[in-house]
Amino acid sequence: DGGITQSPKYLFRKEGQNVTLSCEQNLNHDAMYWYRQDPGQGLRLIYYSQIVNDFQKGDIAEGYSVSREKKESFPLTVTSAQKNPTAFYLCASNQGSSQPQHFGDGTRLSIL
Amino acid sequence: DQQVKQNSPSLSVQEGRISILNCDYTNSMFDYFLWYKKYPAEGPTFLISISSIKDKNEDGRFTVFLNKSAKHLSLHIVPSQPGDSAVYFCAASVRGRARQLTFGSGTQLTVLP
Repeated sequence: DGGITQSPKYLFRKEGQNVTLSCEQNLNHDAMYWYRQDPGQGLRLIYYSQIVNDFQKGDIAEGYSVSREKKESFPLTVTSAQKNPTAFYLCASNQGSSQPQHFGDGTRLSIL
Repeated sequence: DQQVKQNSPSLSVQEGRISILNCDYTNSMFDYFLWYKKYPAEGPTFLISISSIKDKNEDGRFTVFLNKSAKHLSLHIVPSQPGDSAVYFCAASVRGRARQLTFGSGTQLTVLP
């Protein structure tokens, strides 16, 4: 059945290390998104992509990078430049501007 | 600057009663609003949405009301069930930027048996 798969569920990063979070969808959605959630806060948009080979910065893009080489995949790299990377990361997708976004189950990133 | 605000971090109601979750927004350009439900360690699940051309949308036990003049929306759950216990987020977007959602900080709903 269709959905959004995020992996891994838990991820640990050492200081100065880049890590990549995976997001795959088989919903045939054009648009994909990455959000970050911190305790007691809402979701904040990091990056989004409306079409393959194109992506745009969201509200908190600094320290993150993305690629969109395939329609079904939108990986997020948390670089060493992101000074406070500990958070719950959520990937979403949708089809059409009037359609709701559907979310994966998230990746929790922690710093060792 | 929080454009979407959920001022109640938590709400407790008895099973069978009505749950009312509130959300205020400041950006008058918002014209599409959604409610999501989230369990711990899972992604949010879409519940219901409303366009600014309407003031009410109903789906089973869930009804969303929009008051544009007050820049306020609310989610009513009737009757409330223990399985409704979760964090509820409201979100808003702007036509033309409709793919970008701005989220509130969430309200933890606890339905007591």
